[in-house]
Amino acid sequence: DSGVTQTPKHLITATGQRVTLRCSPRSGDLSVYWYQQSLDQGLQFLIQYYNGEERAKGNILERFSAQQFPDLHSELNLSSLELGDSALYFCASSLLAEQETQYFGPGTRLLVL
Amino acid sequence: GENVEQHPSTLSVQEGDSAVIKCTYSDSASNYFPWYKQELGKRPQLIIDIRSNVGEKKDQRIAVTLNKTAKHFSLHITETQPEDSAVYFCAASESGGSYIPTFGRGTSLIVHP
Repeated sequence: DSGVTQTPKHLITATGQRVTLRCSPRSGDLSVYWYQQSLDQGLQFLIQYYNGEERAKGNILERFSAQQFPDLHSELNLSSLELGDSALYFCASSLLAEQETQYFGPGTRLLVL
Repeated sequence: GENVEQHPSTLSVQEGDSAVIKCTYSDSASNYFPWYKQELGKRPQLIIDIRSNVGEKKDQRIAVTLNKTAKHFSLHITETQPEDSAVYFCAASESGGSYIPTFGRGTSLIVHP
């Protein structure tokens, strides 16, 4: 157990819908990262937050957004969902923005029908 | 940006044999190279990492080597066991600033009893 928690574990929804994924980092970690893992694209970095502020952006679609709250938990919002958004979404945390070691949560499996 | 190539995509060995997974990277500024193990349906877990000021690092049956000149690094697993069966990901990043790793596409290691 890495100490990073994610909810829900599974999510099934329909195209065009909006969902919110939640992540709580390890106690004391200030930085949160979101990744998308699909069979054809591997593990793709989406976005990083550090102490409530957006720190870095990767291949995140405009339909996706995220935020980190004062208690350091983070939410990833996915809207206007498409079939291709079906994937595993992982959250990871690290102590600092520059800390190399990232600890991954158990992931949320999203299925868009 | 950084590009990480990982080979092979699948590796099948007999229990007790050694396994080697190789990665190459493109950005000479990259100086931190972690390896993650991901069992089916589970989170990626850091198993070993190496920084550019070190050529080799070992942890029990696992070792990682780094050749900065050639821009490649490898994971070596000796005396493989069935529980080593998983997908292994390499990654490369530049430590300092915002640490965002670029992942390889993964190697599925199958250890036959």
